[in-house]
Order: sequence, then C-alpha cells, then structure tokens
Amino acid sequence: DQQVKQNSPSLSVQEGRISILNCDYTNSMFDYFLWYKKYPAEGPTFLISISSIKDKNEDGRFTVFLNKSAKHLSLHIVPSQPGDSAVYFCAAYSNYQLIWGAGTKLIIKP
Amino acid sequence: NAGVTQTPKFRVLKTGQSMTLLCAQDMNHEYMYWYRQDPGMGLRLIHYSVGEGTTAKGEVPDGYNVSRLKKQNFLLGLESAAPSQTSVYFCASSYGAAGMYGYTFGSGTRLTVV
Repeated sequence: DQQVKQNSPSLSVQEGRISILNCDYTNSMFDYFLWYKKYPAEGPTFLISISSIKDKNEDGRFTVFLNKSAKHLSLHIVPSQPGDSAVYFCAAYSNYQLIWGAGTKLIIKP
Repeated sequence: NAGVTQTPKFRVLKTGQSMTLLCAQDMNHEYMYWYRQDPGMGLRLIHYSVGEGTTAKGEVPDGYNVSRLKKQNFLLGLESAAPSQTSVYFCASSYGAAGMYGYTFGSGTRLTVV
C-alpha cells in the first residue's frame, strides 16, 4: 500500500522550459511534504518543503504546490537547466518518518 | 565541511556474514536515520534515533540492529546477511523535524550479499 506515489518514472523537458513533477498521497495526516533531488552515486539533496497548512512555497526557480483536497502536490522548475537532470523524490513527513515516492527521472534536453 | 560521511562505500558479503556500517555527522544534529533504497522503490526507513543513546524501529527493521553511543555516530549492523539485504544504504541526519529542515544525506553504501 503505497502512501506516496510518483506515477511518472521519467520526464523529458527542453532546456529553458518548465518542468512539472507530480506526486499523489493517500494519508491526510502528513504534516509536511518535501522534494529531494538525487544524482547517481550520491545521496538525495533536500530541495524544498511545504507545510500541510499552506498551498504554495517558492524558492528561486523551484515552486511546490499543494492541493489538499486532491491529495496532490507538484514541483515546478522554471526555467529548466541541464544541471536539473536528476531523479526527483517526493516525500511526506509524519511522526519522525518520511514516506518516499519511487522517484521521477528528469531529463533536460539541450 | 564534511556533513554526513558513510563508510564503507562498497561491500560484498557472503550469506551469513556480519558487518557494521558507520555513519558520522559533524553538524551537531540530534536526529539520525538509516534508509535502504531498492530499484524502483522509494527510500525505506530501517531505524532512526532522536538523540544519543536512543534508537527506534522504522518501516523495515528486521535483520538489522543499530546503536547511537555518541551523538555524531549512528551504526547499522547486519548480524547474518541475507541476499534480500542487497541494497544501497543511506544514512541521514537532521536538526529537527524533517518536515521543516529536511535531511542531510551521506553518499550511500552499496552492499551486495551473495
């Protein structure tokens, strides 16, 4: 029973355009939602988070949107750059535990 | 400026052997975690610690033990390795609740059990 789902295993986007990564969850009790970025042979790197009481959080080129009624969040990257090519994980936090999605591999095409 | 350091980076074990993975952080974080990552799956929490001398079970604790004798170190032990424990293991630490601050991860240990 996956509580956090990333339904797109991969996504290809042209450099300079917007990348939109999606995540769905099932548990209404999550307190925070986070996005991590991972390069091969490295650990995940924290990108941005959002509290369950907010619907948007922005940090530079990265914006996370939370739709509680749909139990859906998304990460927007504008504009997309070659260095953004990586695997992106969505995670949800509750009670000392992070529940992770399976990840979406983002490929930025030149 | 090391952050979170994991040793070793790679290891091959025979079924039934034991080993210890070491995680060290230099950020004075209270919370530390051990995760495993398997192909096509998200990270799964094995054990975690909310402070020196404390440990707790995560989602997949069976076959593993942990110890946090010093605040900066978190050890993960496999007493009798099984092929199902072939995975990439990540250690992480955080200052407070992970939702607000996120985790800092080590670069991982790739373990193969044959």
